[in-house]
Amino acid sequence: GESVGLHLPTLSVQEGDNSIINCAYSNSASDYFIWYKQESGKGPQFIIDIRSNMDKRQGQRVTVLLNKTVKHLSLQIAATQPGDSAVYFCALTGGGNKLTFGTGTQLKVEL
Amino acid sequence: NAGVTQTPKFQVLKTGQSMTLQCAQDMNHEYMSWYRQDPGMGLRLIHYSVGAGITDQGEVPNGYNVSRSTTEDFPLRLLSAAPSQTSVYFCASSYETGRGEQYFGPGTRLTVT
Repeated sequence: GESVGLHLPTLSVQEGDNSIINCAYSNSASDYFIWYKQESGKGPQFIIDIRSNMDKRQGQRVTVLLNKTVKHLSLQIAATQPGDSAVYFCALTGGGNKLTFGTGTQLKVEL
Repeated sequence: NAGVTQTPKFQVLKTGQSMTLQCAQDMNHEYMSWYRQDPGMGLRLIHYSVGAGITDQGEVPNGYNVSRSTTEDFPLRLLSAAPSQTSVYFCASSYETGRGEQYFGPGTRLTVT
């Protein structure tokens, strides 16, 4: 079956620094790899996704990198702000719209 | 648009009781799904639907039933609540199948005593 893991449960960064959140996966058949942000007491919010035939995709202040050789996904947040404090989940698709989620990384932004 | 709405926000049940968690979306999305979130375990798929009249099981379907009579609504029924069903439940919808960009509701926090 699919499994998704994260390298660190908690990541602390200084405001203004860049953040890198990592994710390892095992299912090579996924079409899309996605990052979600979840603020306390709220539902997950889509940040960015990347298709399996790409290795990099950029959004507003975020970049997702996909390394299919080592089955590794990362989310980079530029100039991290206090509003970026949240739990970040990686997820991957499998079988239609089914999503398999990782366990999450808590990002803490220190002022 | 209200997006994805869920009711109630909080619920306490006794073991053996039944209840229905409501979910509605006003974005005309065909795909809807239910997840549960437990501490340290991420979100796990319970049931999903690719359109009205069509439902299927996810990763953890036991103890839950769903139906999809309209595009807008996707209720989740707990048949006989158990303490193991204490969790936060999220409903989600999406317009495009296979891509993974889903819109989540605010969640229902359920406690079973």
